[in-house]
Amino acid sequence: QVQLQESGPGLVKPSETLSLICTVSGGSISNYYWSWIRQPPGKGLEWIGYIYYTGNTNYNPSLKSRVTISVDTSKNQFSLKLNSVTATDTAVYYCARHAPGFHDYWGQGTLVTVSS
Amino acid sequence: EIVLTQSPGTLSLSPGERATLSCRASQTVTNNYLAWYQQKPGQAPRVLIYGASTRATGIPDRFSGSGSGTDFTLTISRLEPEDFAVYSCQQYGNSPRTFGQGTKLEIK
Repeated sequence: QVQLQESGPGLVKPSETLSLICTVSGGSISNYYWSWIRQPPGKGLEWIGYIYYTGNTNYNPSLKSRVTISVDTSKNQFSLKLNSVTATDTAVYYCARHAPGFHDYWGQGTLVTVSS
Repeated sequence: EIVLTQSPGTLSLSPGERATLSCRASQTVTNNYLAWYQQKPGQAPRVLIYGASTRATGIPDRFSGSGSGTDFTLTISRLEPEDFAVYSCQQYGNSPRTFGQGTKLEIK
């Protein structure tokens, strides 16, 4: 059974960089696409971007200028960096696997609050 | 980008009743690549339907998806107590992938 687990700081200051890691267990990160998705409190889901295990990426244009997603196949991990954060970036951040296209496995999510 | 509009925003029904949830796209969803997710408080979404009408592994047959083009429907034939949750649609045929704002299914 594939499992995903997000990790990283729960509090980030405005203008700084949000950094999260997703660790995949129970299966290989190879041969799949992997996404980051977020959900502001009380709101809907927003796709941030995805990465293929080879390193190819696709980002949501609304965040593209601030987002970097990378992969480390040796550790079975992929990561998210979102720079110049503001309060509007406060959300639960999920990592998820593509099945392809739709998301069949999700992490439990991690709340990241942007506040000074 | 494709905007997905879900209706109603909130649906109040009783166990045993039939639920019909709508997801309308602002333009045609390529290949009907439309998925439905269920989300309970404090949990990650769980995929129910993909390709507009294919049930994901382990999903009970009381859940069904239909539709094509721009209009899609999720139907729950007979509501069980565990079905009360938020349901979101997602299109993955066009980039960027987008989600609807969700329909909250609550107990009447």
